[in-house]
Amino acid sequence: QKEVEQNSGPLSVPEGAIASLNCTYSDRGSQSFFWYRQYSGKSPELIMSIYSNGDKEDGRFTAQLNKASQYVSLLIRDSQPSDSATYLCAVINTGGFKTIFGAGTRLFVKA
Amino acid sequence: NAGVTQTPKFQVLKTGQSMTLQCAQDMNHNSMYWYRQDPGMGLRLIYYSASEGTTDKGEVPNGYNVSRLNKREFSLRLESAAPSQTSVYFCASIRRGGTEAFFGQGTRLTVV
Repeated sequence: QKEVEQNSGPLSVPEGAIASLNCTYSDRGSQSFFWYRQYSGKSPELIMSIYSNGDKEDGRFTAQLNKASQYVSLLIRDSQPSDSATYLCAVINTGGFKTIFGAGTRLFVKA
Repeated sequence: NAGVTQTPKFQVLKTGQSMTLQCAQDMNHNSMYWYRQDPGMGLRLIYYSASEGTTDKGEVPNGYNVSRLNKREFSLRLESAAPSQTSVYFCASIRRGGTEAFFGQGTRLTVV
């Protein structure tokens, strides 16, 4: 079992729709969770971090964490073509120093 | 404030050649990392350094060595390059345990 798993996609949504991205992790002691966005040929950039169970909202983005189910998700509301990218889920292990990434989900937002 | 700087940006090596990828950060971060990214594989951790003076293996360390020269610099060395090491390499730094990573611009390495 991979430490962090994501559906590789591609996920295609129309402009204005909600995009839902999902991630599961295996290290039950993990405490820090992140979503990074990566445009083609560019470096990953942080868009959301979440540390506690529940929802965290930042503009059009909402991260959701359920530690009991070892599940993290990212919702993108009012999706725009500029949101088309690969979204990487990342989890920091129990020791606090290893950041492990999922394989990423490619999102296409159609105008 | 440059953040995380990697050199070179592009490199072509012949099988068996050696090279060192350089990484430096000016954010006074404690932890530094080397990842490789292959199509469909996401970012895989090669080595990391939780603090100056320490290094540890990640998920795919074979064929690589690292040096944490000081708090700012963390280099990755390929002693005898193989075509399987063709990839995009990213260096990252983290302020302290449990916080987000900041990435360099990447090095695209091709081994022929």
